[in-house]
Amino acid sequence: DAEITQSPRHKITETGRQVTLACHQTWNHNNMFWYRQDLGHGLRLIHYSYGVQDTNKGEVSDGYSVSRSNTEDLPLTLESAASSQTSVYFCASSVGTGGTGELFFGEGSRLTVL
Amino acid sequence: SQQGEEDPQALSIQEGENATMNCSYKTSINNLQWYRQNSGRGLVHLILIRSNEREKHSGRLRVTLDTSKKSSSLLITASRAADTASYFCAARNSGNTPLVFGKGTRLSVIA
Repeated sequence: DAEITQSPRHKITETGRQVTLACHQTWNHNNMFWYRQDLGHGLRLIHYSYGVQDTNKGEVSDGYSVSRSNTEDLPLTLESAASSQTSVYFCASSVGTGGTGELFFGEGSRLTVL
Repeated sequence: SQQGEEDPQALSIQEGENATMNCSYKTSINNLQWYRQNSGRGLVHLILIRSNEREKHSGRLRVTLDTSKKSSSLLITASRAADTASYFCAARNSGNTPLVFGKGTRLSVIA
């Protein structure tokens, strides 16, 4: 079955370290998204991509970067992790133009920055 | 900024009762979607309603959309303990923008 997987599921890191969260989908979806979920804030969009070589900033993109070199993967990099980036991160994908359809979510990556 | 805002933030009901959650949004939308999230899991899509639709059903779910009031409601009929989860609305503005999620309603169904 097609799926979307995130790794690692749990990570603890130290302030200032670079961290990369992986997201891989096997649906061949054009659109991929990264959200973070924090208590009291719901889900907030970090970065998104509507196709290979396309990336766009979301609402809370500072301190994060993404690259889209193929259809299946959209890794999220924290260049220099900060305690404020402790959160649960969700990757999602969708088919269609401009992300019009339903989103399929991964199971999340819980990141703790000490 | 949040496009959708759910109300109430938390809801506790007895099994068999109906649960109603509301969502208000700010700008014109292309469509509005509802998602469910079980504790510790990813979100799962429940239903999508387009801006030109007023009501949609899926099993025990009923969604309404009032574009004049910029609001939507999700009704779960004959609730079960397994319906315990957080429910999120998400709206997509007209144009090429991604979904923006609300903060969610935590539903507890007590057996």
